[in-house]
Formats: sequence, structure tokens, C-alpha cells
Amino acid sequence: GIQVEQSPPDLILQEGANSTLRCNFSDSVNNLQWFHQNPWGQLINLFYIPSGTKQNGRLSATTVATERYSLLYISSSQTTDSGVYFCAVASLSNFGNEKLTFGTGTRLTIIP
Amino acid sequence: DTAVSQTPKYLVTQMGNDKSIKCEQNLGHDTMYWYKQDSKKFLKIMFSYNNKELIINETVPNRFSPKSPDKAHLNLHINSLELGDSAVYFCASSQEAPLRGYTDTQYFGPGTRLTVL
Repeated sequence: GIQVEQSPPDLILQEGANSTLRCNFSDSVNNLQWFHQNPWGQLINLFYIPSGTKQNGRLSATTVATERYSLLYISSSQTTDSGVYFCAVASLSNFGNEKLTFGTGTRLTIIP
Repeated sequence: DTAVSQTPKYLVTQMGNDKSIKCEQNLGHDTMYWYKQDSKKFLKIMFSYNNKELIINETVPNRFSPKSPDKAHLNLHINSLELGDSAVYFCASSQEAPLRGYTDTQYFGPGTRLTVL
């Protein structure tokens, strides 16, 4: 099956810093989504981004599908950005439709 | 105005017991999912239903049985619980069903932390 690796696994930053999280995948995909799991465990969908670049406030994401990677940028980090960031790619399920395969996650800690 | 809700939030039980987790979504979505997140935070899909019909069934033991009474509800029943079933179980929903070459944005519930003693 498809492999989805994220880097770095852990990242500790001072409030106000910028960060770049990377997601590499081993095969071509039709879709990619980024999620944030906050310290209380809630998973929030950040971006639906099969290709190109999208921005939402201090967050932006870029997917280069032909090179099998996606990047999530966080600018001017705030403590509320802490948590685990997952990318998830669409891969073929055994029913012939697509399922989301999640990456290994990046744990981001923002220090005040 | 909770979008995807799950009950209970925490579930502690003995090995060998049978338990259920309930999920409801009020987004009007057609498709619902169950995911399992293990102790290392690895998230993996288990099942998906579209309008009460099973459309994804990953390699999951037969002790796990999803049931969808209507498109707004997807429950997960687990028989003969084992220690390895301890995890956080997430329900999710999307407006449209996944097809070959297409997936829709998914919205997750708050999770149910299951601990098997």
C-alpha cells in the first residue's frame, strides 16, 4: 500500500516563529488533505489540496502531486497552533473506491 | 450545534465484554466513517457507509460490526473486547461518497477513548 511519511516528527518553536511541515507519499494520489489534531484530541480539517497552493489566514499549503509531496506553512505561530498535524492521501481501498491513508504526523509545540 | 458527535467520550471495560459506540452527524452528509487511532497516534480507516450501504471495509476483525440505521447515524459494535482494541475511535462524515479517483472533505467527531482492562 501507499506510504505517507511526514517530517519532522517533532518540532518545538517559540511563539511568533514560522514553520514548514512536509508530507511525502510513495505513489501518485488524487487527493490530499491536511488535518490538525489539537491537544484535546479534536481533528480539524485544514486543507483539501490535491494540487497547487491554498491559503487560510496564517496557514498555507502547497501540493506538488507530480513530485509526490505537500508542504504546510504556518506563519507567526501561536500557542493554539500546538498539536499534531497529519496529512492524508487518497488511495485505493479494497472496494475499488478511495480511502484516506494518514501520515505519521508532526507534533508541533509552540512555547510562549 | 455539534456537527459530528460521538457517545460515550470515554469507555472503560473488561476484556471479553461487548460494547457499542454511537455516532451522529447533523451536517446532512451522505457518507460516514469509522477510524481507529492507536497509542502512537497512527490513524487508520476501518469502515465507511454511504446512505446506509457499506462502501469501505478494511481488514478489521469480525468482532467489529458497524451498523447504520439511517444516513445520519453510524454505530460501532465490538464483541469480545481484547486488550489490543484499546484506542481512540473517531467517527467522520463527508457530503459525498468516495469514488475511484475522488474523495470529499471529511469532518471528524471528538473521538471515543476505549480502554480495555
